[in-house]
Amino acid sequence: AQKITQTQPGMFVQEKEAVTLDCTYDTSDQSYGLFWYKQPSSGEMIFLIYQGSYDEQNATEGRYSLNFQKARKSANLVISASQLGDSAMYFCAMREGLRGGSQGNLIFGKGTKLSVKP
Amino acid sequence: DAGITQSPRYKITETGRQVTLMCHQTWSHSYMFWYRQDLGHGLRLIYYSAAADITDKGEVPDGYVVSRSKTENFPLTLESATRSQTSVYFCASLDGTDTQYFGPGTRLTVL
Repeated sequence: AQKITQTQPGMFVQEKEAVTLDCTYDTSDQSYGLFWYKQPSSGEMIFLIYQGSYDEQNATEGRYSLNFQKARKSANLVISASQLGDSAMYFCAMREGLRGGSQGNLIFGKGTKLSVKP
Repeated sequence: DAGITQSPRYKITETGRQVTLMCHQTWSHSYMFWYRQDLGHGLRLIYYSAAADITDKGEVPDGYVVSRSKTENFPLTLESATRSQTSVYFCASLDGTDTQYFGPGTRLTVL
């Protein structure tokens, strides 16, 4: 069974609008971390945002926020005020186990390709 | 420059040849990782290392060998390359905030 599921292979959003990229996860650990990475067409993997399983507030980083719903095991990425430069692949990933106490291995979803229309 | 670098960035080789992909980080991070990225699979872990001389297998280790004699270097070797190993390879290291930072990737083509 997939541990990270991203159900949207591709999405379109109008420039300046907000967009939500879906991510659901599966783990039996109580302690885990959730990450989002951006991969533009140039190929590099860029870290965007992190949410720990014990964090009570949703993580935010500039225009990025993570809508964390623990009971539903979802960690959706919200991008506000989309820009043309946001066009990229977006990967959700999970680290199982204790922060700093595990090997830190990430399990990745298959990604969502976001296209921002002018 | 500080950060994590990979070399070469592009490599074309032939089936059966040995290929080594290099990864170097300047942060002195303990943990380092090798992933491969293929269409339809996202990123999958090949090997990781918790420190110098400590390595362990990930999800897809077959056909790969790693070593880590120094903290800053984590080379990945394909002992006898196969076409199925055509992929983009990413190296990453783990910082103190539990975040993995990735190198720019190596695009490997095995003919």
